[in-house]
Amino acid sequence: NAGVTQTPKFRVLKTGQSMTLLCAQDMNHEYMYWYRQDPGMGLRLIHYSVGEGTTAKGEVPDGYNVSRLKKQNFLLGLESAAPSQTSVYFCASSYSRSALIHNEQFFGPGTRLTVL
Amino acid sequence: GDSVTQMEGPVTLSEEAFLTINCTYTATGYPSLFWYVQYPGEGLQLLLKATKADDKGSNKGFEATYRKETTSFHLEKGSVQVSDSAVYFCALSLLLNSGTYKYIFGTGTRLKVLA
Repeated sequence: NAGVTQTPKFRVLKTGQSMTLLCAQDMNHEYMYWYRQDPGMGLRLIHYSVGEGTTAKGEVPDGYNVSRLKKQNFLLGLESAAPSQTSVYFCASSYSRSALIHNEQFFGPGTRLTVL
Repeated sequence: GDSVTQMEGPVTLSEEAFLTINCTYTATGYPSLFWYVQYPGEGLQLLLKATKADDKGSNKGFEATYRKETTSFHLEKGSVQVSDSAVYFCALSLLLNSGTYKYIFGTGTRLKVLA
């Protein structure tokens, strides 16, 4: 199993450009998450999904959109990138229905995004 | 509301020193508790977990005990190594009345171990 994978690993954008970050998981997890991590600020939840076709806002959703058209994929979109969106983005997944209550999260390796 | 509070870092220790990183939580209900570790340039990975009161999670020499009476889940290691240098995150998972899970991370504590 590959676990949670993210593409791309690195990206540099100019202000106003758009891009999509792709997250894929092969563990049949129900839940998927997008976080951003900035120096000294820990993890902040952007959007999450509790199942295929459903999404919800997290702590810092502004400027981002997401889609979960397939259970194994969770896409994060930036329609018009801003320098404030320079960050490291992590995708995570959790909760297989057979896993009962443990519900640990599995993280991808991250995408480092710089917006100039 | 539900929250996780962990001690601010950085924590700097000499090799073979004893480590404690404090974590306390506030939650309505009965959460599962977790410690994650993030090595430089990598994503978070689960270090240990505990799902009910008095459970002790352990892994790689690290331990943490789920203390319901003090709402705490402190991380300890008897003898740290340089390779333990990383950022450590405390987290909880809570089953809501809606049937969905809520996940909360602490802000992370950076540990630096000197040779």
